[in-house]
Amino acid sequence: DQQVKQNSPSLSVQEGRISILNCDYTNSMFDYFLWYKKYPAEGPTFLISISSIKDKNEDGRFTVFLNKSAKHLSLHIVPSQPGDSAVYFCAALEHDMRFGAGTRLTVKP
Amino acid sequence: DAGVTQSPTHLIKTRGQQVTLRCSPKSGHDTVSWYQQALGQGPQFIFQYYEEEERQRGNFPDRFSGHQFPNYSSELNVNALLLGDSALYLCASSLADGYYGYTFGSGTRLTVV
Repeated sequence: DQQVKQNSPSLSVQEGRISILNCDYTNSMFDYFLWYKKYPAEGPTFLISISSIKDKNEDGRFTVFLNKSAKHLSLHIVPSQPGDSAVYFCAALEHDMRFGAGTRLTVKP
Repeated sequence: DAGVTQSPTHLIKTRGQQVTLRCSPKSGHDTVSWYQQALGQGPQFIFQYYEEEERQRGNFPDRFSGHQFPNYSSELNVNALLLGDSALYLCASSLADGYYGYTFGSGTRLTVV
């Protein structure tokens, strides 16, 4: 059962522009959402999170938006940098954490 | 402060064999979760251990079992290995409620031939 879905396997943006990564979920019991970033040969590293009682959380260049009615969240990276190139996983937490399939972001210089 | 440590980093096993993977959690964390990540997919939840007991379990067969020790370290055991068990196995540690996020290890790459 794919409770967390990332429908775009890849995204390519130009350096300095905005990157928008999307995520949808089906389980309304999820109450906390997280984004993880993964480089090859490393485990995922925590990036940013948002509680279900909020609709926006910002940390530097990274902003996560949550639309509970649509069961949708998105990660905005502004401005995008080449070092942001990685696979980004959306995750949702109830009793345990469930992940989407990931989106590979490529930021071109 | 060491993060999550997993061993071994790589492993090759034959179909039908058994394997044990090990994980030491981040200092201060008491909960360990195991994930299987197949190529091109996101991490799939196997199970979670807290207070030496399996607290949650994903859709994995009984061939997958685990253990948590009093020092919070954990093992993942897989019996009767299948070719489809080839994957990256990730261990993540956290506090019990998980709200401060999970810290992942670098994973164990298991290849079944």
